Amino acid sequence: GENVEQHPSTLSVQEGDSAVIKCTYSDSASNYFPWYKQELGKGPQLIIDIRSNVGEKKDQRIAVTLNKTAKHFSLHITETQPEDSAVYFCAASGTGGFKTIFGAGTRLFVKA
Amino acid sequence: NAGVTQTPKFRILKIGQSMTLQCAQDMNHNYMYWYRQDPGMGLKLIYYSVGAGITDKGEVPNGYNVSRSTTEDFPLRLELAAPSQTSVYFCASSYVTEAFFGQGTRLTVV
Repeated sequence: GENVEQHPSTLSVQEGDSAVIKCTYSDSASNYFPWYKQELGKGPQLIIDIRSNVGEKKDQRIAVTLNKTAKHFSLHITETQPEDSAVYFCAASGTGGFKTIFGAGTRLFVKA
Repeated sequence: NAGVTQTPKFRILKIGQSMTLQCAQDMNHNYMYWYRQDPGMGLKLIYYSVGAGITDKGEVPNGYNVSRSTTEDFPLRLELAAPSQTSVYFCASSYVTEAFFGQGTRLTVV
């Protein structure tokens, strides 16, 4: 089955700097790659996603890149703000989106 | 605008006890999921459902059961609670891909 690895497990940056989180997946049939943000005491919330027919997607300060050949995808947050501090999860799934497999998460700290 | 509602929010169980974690969604989503989240770990898929009457195992189904008699509800049953089931449980639903999560149920088995 699918396996998703995520790095780093913890990331600390200064406010205004960029943050990059990287993930690899094992199942070449996976074609949907969402990123979720989880704030303390809450459920994860989708922040951006990318499909296998696209190499890059951007939404304001957040961007995601996908390299299908290498089976890895990355989340880029620019101009980080304290409210970006949270746990971020990458995930991968096949057609239909169900049976989504999550990475272990990255705890991001943005220091003011 | 409720979304996905989980009850209870917290529960302490004794070893061997049983309980049902409730999950309801009001978005008319066909897909529903149960995940568990252990400290410092990602979410592990326990069971999922693609529609009423249809359920299937995820990554870690042992010790759990589910049913899906209606589109709205997807309860998770623990029959004989064990300390290894201490975790935070999240229910989620989706129309196709984007999953909407509930607030979670923190379960402790002592």
